Amino acid sequence: GDSVTQMEGPVTLSEEAFLTINCTYTATGYPSLFWYVQYPGEGLQLLLKATKADDKGSNKGFEATYRKETTSFHLEKGSVQVSDSAVYFCALFYSNRDDKIIFGKGTRLHILP
Amino acid sequence: DAGVTQSPTHLIKTRGQQVTLRCSPKSGHDTVSWYQQALGQGPQFIFQYYEEEERQRGNFPDRFSGHQFPNYSSELNVNALLLGDSALYLCASSSRAGTGTKNEQFFGPGTRLTVL
Repeated sequence: GDSVTQMEGPVTLSEEAFLTINCTYTATGYPSLFWYVQYPGEGLQLLLKATKADDKGSNKGFEATYRKETTSFHLEKGSVQVSDSAVYFCALFYSNRDDKIIFGKGTRLHILP
Repeated sequence: DAGVTQSPTHLIKTRGQQVTLRCSPKSGHDTVSWYQQALGQGPQFIFQYYEEEERQRGNFPDRFSGHQFPNYSSELNVNALLLGDSALYLCASSSRAGTGTKNEQFFGPGTRLTVL
């Protein structure tokens, strides 16, 4: 079946460091891929998405590229801020199928000032 | 636009009790999905409601049931609560009729359920 695997956290970085959170997926079809962010005490917010192979999603300085050949969707940011501290979830979704989002387990990110 | 709202924010129950959680979708949305997020885990799909019917269901027992009302709001009911039902319950709304962002799910802040 379909699944998402992401690197375990917590990930601790200093402010202005480069961030990579790895995400790989197993899919029976051609899903859309997402990164969601969850700030403390809040629900999920869509951070970025890509709907087909080689698409790059970007938002707020974060980027991820849909790599079909490596079944990956790694999240990157060139210079993180303390305000980026949150839990990040990689997810897949079939918009023309059953509408349920399949999430990874999440990666907690701590940014030190 | 109020976005997706959920109530209550927090809830404490004891084993064996029943609980009802509520969700109001974003304006213009007609579909509601429910997810369970256990501590330290990613959200797991429970079920989805559209046109007042359950359309999809994840791997959850029948103790989990739901309802959708004509105004598109939804309830999640859990019977015979177990300790393992303690989690954050997230509601997400979407629109089956839209284009572009069709089916994009917008999440509410969640209800934190603690079962003692």
